[in-house]
Amino acid sequence: GNSVTQMEGPVTLSEEAFLTINCTYTATGYPSLFWYVQYPGEGLQLLLKATKADDKGSNKGFEATYRKETTSFHLEKGSVQVSDSAVYFCALSGKYSRGGGADGLTFGKGTHLIIQP
Amino acid sequence: DTEVTQTPKHLVMGMTNKKSLKCEQHMGHRAMYWYKQKAKKPPELMFVYSYEKLSINESVPSRFSPECPNSSLLNLHLHALQPEDSALYLCASSQEARNSPFYGYTFGSGTRLTVV
Repeated sequence: GNSVTQMEGPVTLSEEAFLTINCTYTATGYPSLFWYVQYPGEGLQLLLKATKADDKGSNKGFEATYRKETTSFHLEKGSVQVSDSAVYFCALSGKYSRGGGADGLTFGKGTHLIIQP
Repeated sequence: DTEVTQTPKHLVMGMTNKKSLKCEQHMGHRAMYWYKQKAKKPPELMFVYSYEKLSINESVPSRFSPECPNSSLLNLHLHALQPEDSALYLCASSQEARNSPFYGYTFGSGTRLTVV
């Protein structure tokens, strides 16, 4: 079945450091890939997405590229801020190989990111 | 309106109680979802509704009963829960658009449920 593997952390960085959170996936069909962020006590916010190979998702300085050849969707940011401290989830849809909506998401275990001033 | 609204935000219930969680969206999305998230874990899919019909049930115990009365509203009825059911329950919605660009899932802020 479908699965997502990501580094669990916690990952601790200093402010303005470069961030990479690795994410790899196993899936049948052609999944869409997502990064969600969850701040303490809150729900999930979509950070970025990519729906086909070689697509690059970007938002708020974060970027990730859908690499079908390496089945990866690594999250990067050039200069992190204290406000980026949160849990980051890599996820894919397409569990039932239908693409589009109504498939639900399969999540990685989440990476707890801590940014120190 | 680009939000998914969940009520209540917090709920404490006894094991013999019956309660309901409510989820509402007005984005015209025709797919709606319930997820369960335990502390320090990723969300786990429970149910999927597509065009108001239950399309996916991830082997959830019958003490959880979903209902989709119309295209904007999703309920989760709770009865005879156990303390281990305490968790954050998240609702989400999305387009059901196989032939259109897929813009992803919108999540609510969740209902934090404690079973005592």
